[in-house]
Amino acid sequence: DGGITQSPKYLFRKEGQNVTLSCEQNLNHDAMYWYRQDPGQGLRLIYYSQIVNDFQKGDIAEGYSVSREKKESFPLTVTSAQKNPTAFYLCASSIAYRGTSNYEQYFGPGTRLTVT
Amino acid sequence: AQSVTQLDSQVPVFEEAPVELRCNYSSSVSVYLFWYVQYPNQGLQLLLKYLSGSTLVESINGFEAEFNKSQTSFHLRKPSVHISDTAEYFCAVSDPFGQGGSEKLVFGKGTKLTVNP
Repeated sequence: DGGITQSPKYLFRKEGQNVTLSCEQNLNHDAMYWYRQDPGQGLRLIYYSQIVNDFQKGDIAEGYSVSREKKESFPLTVTSAQKNPTAFYLCASSIAYRGTSNYEQYFGPGTRLTVT
Repeated sequence: AQSVTQLDSQVPVFEEAPVELRCNYSSSVSVYLFWYVQYPNQGLQLLLKYLSGSTLVESINGFEAEFNKSQTSFHLRKPSVHISDTAEYFCAVSDPFGQGGSEKLVFGKGTKLTVNP
C-alpha cells in the first residue's frame, strides 16, 4: 500500500536535546510538508519541499531544520532553540505542480513529541 | 494572503440530527477547496474536495459540501450524523499567492464535532 509513514508515534525528550522526526513516503510525490498542530490552533506550516535538495521555510520555521536528500524522505529536526516544542507533528505530501496537480495533500499518522 | 475561517470551534449535536460546519475563505480568485477529517491522535484524511465543475460535492459517508463563489464559502453538511462522525474537521483552501509556484494549502483552525447519543 502506498502512503506516508512517520516514526515514532510517541517521542519523549529532555529539554535542551535535539530530536529528529522521520517521514517517509512511497507515493512518488515531489512535494513534502511538515506541520505542527496545537489544540485550537489548527495546522501551522513549518517547512516544505517541492523537489529534492530544495526546501523553504513555512510560517513557523524558527527552531526547526529539515533536509531533503531523497525524494522519499523529509526528516524534521526539532532543535533546542525551539522554545515550545511539545506538539503533534504531521508530515504530508502532494504531487508537485507540473500542470497536473490539484494541491491535494496526503498525511501521515503523526508523531506526538513531549519535551520535559 | 489567503485565509480560512471556520466559524465554530465546537459543534455538539445529537445522533441522527443534521449538522453544518461552516467554512469561509478570503480570496475570490480560482481556488481548490478541501475538507479533511481527523480522529483522535491520527493524521488527517481527505473527506471531499472541490476542484471544478458541479458546486456540490459528496463524500462516500454521506457528507456533502457546496462551493459558493459569491459568498466565498464551502460549508460541510450531513443530514443525519452518527456517533462515529465524532472527530475534528478542517477546511483547507489552495493558496493562489504561494511563492514560486508552491502548492501550499491554508487550513482553518478546525471544528470539533461531537455526536451525542
